[in-house]
Amino acid sequence: AQTVTQSQPEMSVQEAETVTLSCTYDTSESDYYLFWYKQPPSRQMILVIRQEAYKQQNATENRFSVNFQKAAKSFSLKISDSQLGDAAMYFCAYRGKYNFNKFYFGSGTKLNVKP
Amino acid sequence: SAVISQKPSRDICQRGTSLTIQCQVDSQVTMMFWYRQQPGQSLTLIATANQGSEATYESGFVIDKFPISRPNLTFSTLTVSNMSPEDSSIYLCSVGAATGELFFGEGSRLTVL
Repeated sequence: AQTVTQSQPEMSVQEAETVTLSCTYDTSESDYYLFWYKQPPSRQMILVIRQEAYKQQNATENRFSVNFQKAAKSFSLKISDSQLGDAAMYFCAYRGKYNFNKFYFGSGTKLNVKP
Repeated sequence: SAVISQKPSRDICQRGTSLTIQCQVDSQVTMMFWYRQQPGQSLTLIATANQGSEATYESGFVIDKFPISRPNLTFSTLTVSNMSPEDSSIYLCSVGAATGELFFGEGSRLTVL
């Protein structure tokens, strides 16, 4: 079975600085999706960024970018110019390309942003 | 993207009672998913709700405890039956996007006393 591991339960970053959240996964599939979700205290899960495994180029969405290392099965999220509104739980998630209902979520990383 | 509305947003319930959570999507979708998020934990899939057929439950979840209805392509309900304090969680409704990700509702926070 696929597993997703987030080894950092909690992290802190100074406002305007850069922080990287780690995620590793285990799979025997060759084609899949990876995601980072943000869950603020208001609790709605919001998609931050997605990566398709067959694409070598790392995904970027404004201040958010990923470092996708397929061979190492690593999928880290970099947040640049951190803002107070970035404070939230961040979940890494995996989905096999052909398994529409099988998402695997990591345990989450709580990000604190210090003013 | 899909807009997903959940009701109730939060509720406090007595042990032994049941509560039904509603999920409304602004577009027709084939599959809807119900997740549970226990306090401080990650998400666990309860079941997949398909229109016109019985829901498919994940290991550890049974229909008698979590009956699901899916009367049409935009609506689903999840009932948490005979609640105990261990059922205190956030329950999330979600749908899949054509681009691969899930969209989530705002969640329903249940506290069972």
